[in-house]
Amino acid sequence: QSALTQPASVSGSPGQSITISCTGTPSDIGGYDYVSWFQQHPGRAPKVIIYDVSHRPSGVSIRFSGSKSGNTASLTISGLQAEDEADYYCNSYTSSSSVVFGGGTKLTVL
Amino acid sequence: QVQLQESGPGLVKPSETLSLTCTVSDGSISSHYWAWIRQPPGKGLEWIGYIYYNGFTNHNPSLKSRVTILRDTSKNQFSLHLNAVTAADTAVYYCARDPVGSGSMDVWGQGTTVTVSS
Repeated sequence: QSALTQPASVSGSPGQSITISCTGTPSDIGGYDYVSWFQQHPGRAPKVIIYDVSHRPSGVSIRFSGSKSGNTASLTISGLQAEDEADYYCNSYTSSSSVVFGGGTKLTVL
Repeated sequence: QVQLQESGPGLVKPSETLSLTCTVSDGSISSHYWAWIRQPPGKGLEWIGYIYYNGFTNHNPSLKSRVTILRDTSKNQFSLHLNAVTAADTAVYYCARDPVGSGSMDVWGQGTTVTVSS
């Protein structure tokens, strides 16, 4: 299974909005509404911030939102804050009952 | 609140078997799905596999037959065994809970670093 495709890096200024894309195939993102997004700060374990494409776990800021169109999922962070600077990973359930991650995107808050 | 803790050797020799255990507290491994994920230094996350609530397992096809995931319900632990390791298996290894096996890992261990070197 091939990794999902994410941009290596994105950046934005405080208060702005950014969007991170995650592109897969009909066998993963396109076939299921099971896309999750994770935030990982250096030296820390990942934390789920979006699951099932657009659902936010309890305690996650409403500034984080997710969507999907065809084989591409997106994570949008609005009102960027310094604490949002981290690595972000998407993943998807697949047709072989497995899970595939994206390569990760480094978010820099300017 | 369920907690997970990885344990095992931090150094494994090439061609040998890497074995890690995940101990689950305040939650039963007879419910939900339990995952192993790894992250090589400076790289992204890679899903290794699941052990399901009923003992069934599923793993990343890219790891072929090198992976075995087992569980001990009496100890509320599950384990990862990766054989014939090489330097490419050097990584931080995480265990995690996935409520429904869809990739939405909601509780993670802190991770344990395993280095493959002679």
